Amino acid sequence: SQQGEEDPQALSIQEGENATMNCSYKTSINNLQWYRQNSGRGLVHLILIRSNEREKHSGRLRVTLDTSKKSSSLLITASRAADTASYFCATDAVETSGSRLTFGEGTQLTVNP
Amino acid sequence: NAGVMQNPRHLVRRRGQEARLRCSPMKGHSHVYWYRQLPEEGLKFMVYLQKENIIDESGMPKERFSAEFPKEGPSILRIQQVVRGDSAAYFCASLGLAAGNEQFFGPGTRLTVL
Repeated sequence: SQQGEEDPQALSIQEGENATMNCSYKTSINNLQWYRQNSGRGLVHLILIRSNEREKHSGRLRVTLDTSKKSSSLLITASRAADTASYFCATDAVETSGSRLTFGEGTQLTVNP
Repeated sequence: NAGVMQNPRHLVRRRGQEARLRCSPMKGHSHVYWYRQLPEEGLKFMVYLQKENIIDESGMPKERFSAEFPKEGPSILRIQQVVRGDSAAYFCASLGLAAGNEQFFGPGTRLTVL
């Protein structure tokens, strides 16, 4: 598996339910970031969590980071149809230069009204 | 404060032509990154530039691709003699020293090679 790999690949839920997406990575990181991308559009930065942080909240978003397991999760609570999008995790690895990001393949979330 | 600007948003080229993609970073940002996204895939790093310097081009194909970030003006990603496999969305991101390592992405240029 490659650096920054999300699972599941696709997730379909009903409006109001919670959505959980997971990300695994391989190397030591400075930080991990989550982005959202609507179909055919650009990326929207959601949240950044540093390697010394374990949990972070932003509105309906909750991100956890477990550096011992090299994994992160993104939880969206009380989902809405407008949350339908692809979600990517991206890592800023210690070994790479200048904060370049390594993206996973993404989780396609569909929230049904 | 305008965000990262990219133009054109859509670009159509025939095989063998040249494609020039432009990226203007956020005001005050001096670090630019280019990423490529193939259909149904995540973004892949191509090149990282600071003003007048290429810092890391390890993700960029050795042939036909080049990038620059001059002292004045936008960053340019140039693809010579395009092939169908170059069809993708190309995203630029910028980073400022005070940004806390958050990269701000532009809307992307969607390149279609006929």
